[in-house]
Amino acid sequence: DSGVTQTPKHLITATGQRVTLRCSPRSGDLSVYWYQQSLDQGLQFLIHYYNGEERAKGNILERFSAQQFPDLHSELNLSSLELGDSALYFCASSTDDQKLFFGSGTQLSVL
Amino acid sequence: GESVGLHLPTLSVQEGDNSIINCAYSNSASDYFIWYKQESGKGPQFIIDIRSNMDKRQGQRVTVLLNKTVKHLSLQIAATQPGDSAVYFCAENIAGGADGLTFGKGTHLIIQP
Repeated sequence: DSGVTQTPKHLITATGQRVTLRCSPRSGDLSVYWYQQSLDQGLQFLIHYYNGEERAKGNILERFSAQQFPDLHSELNLSSLELGDSALYFCASSTDDQKLFFGSGTQLSVL
Repeated sequence: GESVGLHLPTLSVQEGDNSIINCAYSNSASDYFIWYKQESGKGPQFIIDIRSNMDKRQGQRVTVLLNKTVKHLSLQIAATQPGDSAVYFCAENIAGGADGLTFGKGTHLIIQP
């Protein structure tokens, strides 16, 4: 158990809808990262938050957004969903921004 | 393109044999490297890491080798067990970088009984 908690584990929704993925980092970790994993693209960095502030953006679509709250949990919001957004979404936390500890992921299926 | 990649998508070994998973990276500024294991339905799990000031690091049944001259990283797993079956990813990072880890596409290790 990495100590990183993600909910829900599975999410099935329709095209055009909006969903929210939730992540609780390990106790004491200020950094939260979001990654998308698909079969053809591997693990792709989406966005990084540190202590409530956005630190870096990767290949994140404009339809996607995230935030980190004062209690350090983070949410990833995906809107106007398309079939191609179906993927595993992972949250990771870190103390040193090098070794990342990953949650078990949210499997998103857009039908 | 990606700065970290793997040579083989699938590696099949006999139980009890040693396995070697290779990884190439292209960013010479990277100074931290890490291997993850991902089992089906789970998130990536840390195995071992190495900094660029080292060329070898050993853990329990695993060894990571770093060759900065040719920008090559390898993971050696000794006496493979059925529980070692998984996808293995190498990843890299630059000190002070906020983008986290850059991952390769992964190698699927299959342990034959």
